[in-house]
Amino acid sequence: DQQVKQNSPSLSVQEGRISILNCDYTNSMFDYFLWYKKYPAEGPTFLISISSIKDKNEDGRFTVFLNKSAKHLSLHIVPSQPGDSAVYFCAARVDSSYKLIFGSGTRLLVRP
Amino acid sequence: DAGITQSPRHKVTETGTPVTLRCHQTENHRYMYWYRQDPGHGLRLIHYSYGVKDTDKGEVSDGYSVSRSKTEDFLLTLESATSSQTSVYFCAISELGYEQYFGPGTRLTVT
Repeated sequence: DQQVKQNSPSLSVQEGRISILNCDYTNSMFDYFLWYKKYPAEGPTFLISISSIKDKNEDGRFTVFLNKSAKHLSLHIVPSQPGDSAVYFCAARVDSSYKLIFGSGTRLLVRP
Repeated sequence: DAGITQSPRHKVTETGTPVTLRCHQTENHRYMYWYRQDPGHGLRLIHYSYGVKDTDKGEVSDGYSVSRSKTEDFLLTLESATSSQTSVYFCAISELGYEQYFGPGTRLTVT
């Protein structure tokens, strides 16, 4: 029973274009959402987050959108760069807990 | 970058042997976590700690135990390793319990 789902295992985009990574969730008690980026042979690194009381958060080239009615989260990367090629995980926290639940990841390839 | 180290970084062991992985932090963060990463499963929580000597189970805790006797160290023990425990193990730390920062990982192979 996956509470956080990333249905696209991979995505390929051209350098300079927009990358959109998607995440769906089922638990309405999630209050905080995060995106992590992971390069091979390294630990995941925190990228950006959003509280459930907001619908958008922006940090440079990265923007996260939250649609609570659809239980859908997306990460937009504009413009995409080859160095963005990595696996991206979305994660969610159950209200007031100390734990995160992760999706299975989407592998992004940015082609030069 | 958060100061987190994991040791060993790579280990090959035989089925039935005990294995201990160590996570060490220099950030004095309250929360520490152990995850495993497997293809198609993302990151799954094994155990976590919310203070010295305070630990709790995650979603895949069977076959694993943990200990935290000091703020900076969180140990993960496989009492009797099995081939299904071949995985990459990540430690994470957090000050507030949601933004977590990960170590470099330990690749464990059980033959």
